Amino acid sequence: DVKVTQSSRYLVKRTGEKVFLECVQDMDHENMFWYRQDPGLGLRLIYFSYDVKMKEKGDIPEGYSVSREKKERFSLILESASTNQTSMYLCASSPGRGQYFGPGTRLTVT
Amino acid sequence: AQSVTQPDIHITVSEGASLELRCNYSYGATPYLFWYVQSPGQGLQLLLKYFSGDTLVQGIKGFEAEFKRSQSSFNLRKPSVHWSDAAEYFCAVGRTPRSRDSGYALNFGKGTSLLVTP
Repeated sequence: DVKVTQSSRYLVKRTGEKVFLECVQDMDHENMFWYRQDPGLGLRLIYFSYDVKMKEKGDIPEGYSVSREKKERFSLILESASTNQTSMYLCASSPGRGQYFGPGTRLTVT
Repeated sequence: AQSVTQPDIHITVSEGASLELRCNYSYGATPYLFWYVQSPGQGLQLLLKYFSGDTLVQGIKGFEAEFKRSQSSFNLRKPSVHWSDAAEYFCAVGRTPRSRDSGYALNFGKGTSLLVTP
């Protein structure tokens, strides 16, 4: 069975903190993705990676960076968290077409 | 750029009634299309996908979708809704990769929230 896990279901951080969100997949997929989900806006692509150490910006990369040192792990980094980054963050992995999602991390920045 | 529109933000259906959720896409070539479901507080689960071939696609949980090129639509249907189907439903289209090695990211619609009444 396909499995994508995210390190935390809920996270509360303070403004200005550096925040790491971790995602791990056990399916040997090449592609991994980070989205944020906000009410009324749907899912928006932040970054994705199609191979180890390879990454591409999505539609809203400002304020975020990513790291993919190993094939199974894709990290999203908020360099200096701000209140407008309070959101649900969803990680996905894909062998090519079609994506499998993790349970999400609800991040609150105060 | 590829995009999808879900015209209905909320839909209410009685348990046992049929369901149709609308999705319209914008793309010149044959798109890769998907439907996902999200239960409250959960991640997204893939219901079904269309890449090519038979335009009627069967998915999990009794759902099906029909690709209609002439109408640029990929509507999701279920003949008899169960209370456990109450959730948010997202239609998505695959983006054209930026390079040969780049994977297929998705563009999502804004979702349709389904409420099932007794």
